[in-house]
Amino acid sequence: KAGVTQTPRYLIKTRGQQVTLSCSPISGHRSVSWYQQTPGQGLQFLFEYFSETQRNKGNFPGRFSGRQFSNSRSEMNVSTLELGDSALYLCASSLGTLNIQYFGAGTRLSVL
Amino acid sequence: EDQVTQSPEALRLQEGESSSLNCSYTVSGLRGLFWYRQDPGKGPEFLFTLYSAGEEKEKERLKATLTKKESFLHITAPKPEDSATYLCAVQVEDQGAQKLVFGQGTRLTINP
Repeated sequence: KAGVTQTPRYLIKTRGQQVTLSCSPISGHRSVSWYQQTPGQGLQFLFEYFSETQRNKGNFPGRFSGRQFSNSRSEMNVSTLELGDSALYLCASSLGTLNIQYFGAGTRLSVL
Repeated sequence: EDQVTQSPEALRLQEGESSSLNCSYTVSGLRGLFWYRQDPGKGPEFLFTLYSAGEEKEKERLKATLTKKESFLHITAPKPEDSATYLCAVQVEDQGAQKLVFGQGTRLTINP
């Protein structure tokens, strides 16, 4: 069974640009969560989607947004990039909310 | 505020030298506690989930235990391939949705 797939693996952007990251969950999983990982803050929760609806959101500015499609694939968008947005962005999928979350390899975003 | 603290931040052991990692938490609405392993450049890999005080889970050289306020990950006779960052996370329910609150991790190095 294929795991969680995130694309692209690496991205380099400049301040002020926007970026879209993609996540394909494990087949049959309907919940997708996004996390930001930095050396200083560790892993922080961004948001969770279930059946195309955002169920929960962490303490991040409105520049961070996401969506989920009917096939459970999810995208995350960051607008007006700042240097501090440089991080590893991780996607996790689970069968449903409150189930075990399985992580992808992440997208490494560098903002110059 | 939900909080998870892991100690120590880093730990160096000789091959075969057993030890324990600690995860203490202060959360409301706890639904479960998770241990993940993360290798450099990869996403977290699920190890264990614990749901109630007194519960124990084992996998090869690893054993996880849970009390009302903390969890321990015991590593028995470790090998160099056990070197990784070990992450503890608590699953919190928030108005029917979920999120994982992570500790900062313990970076474990096993010297041959």
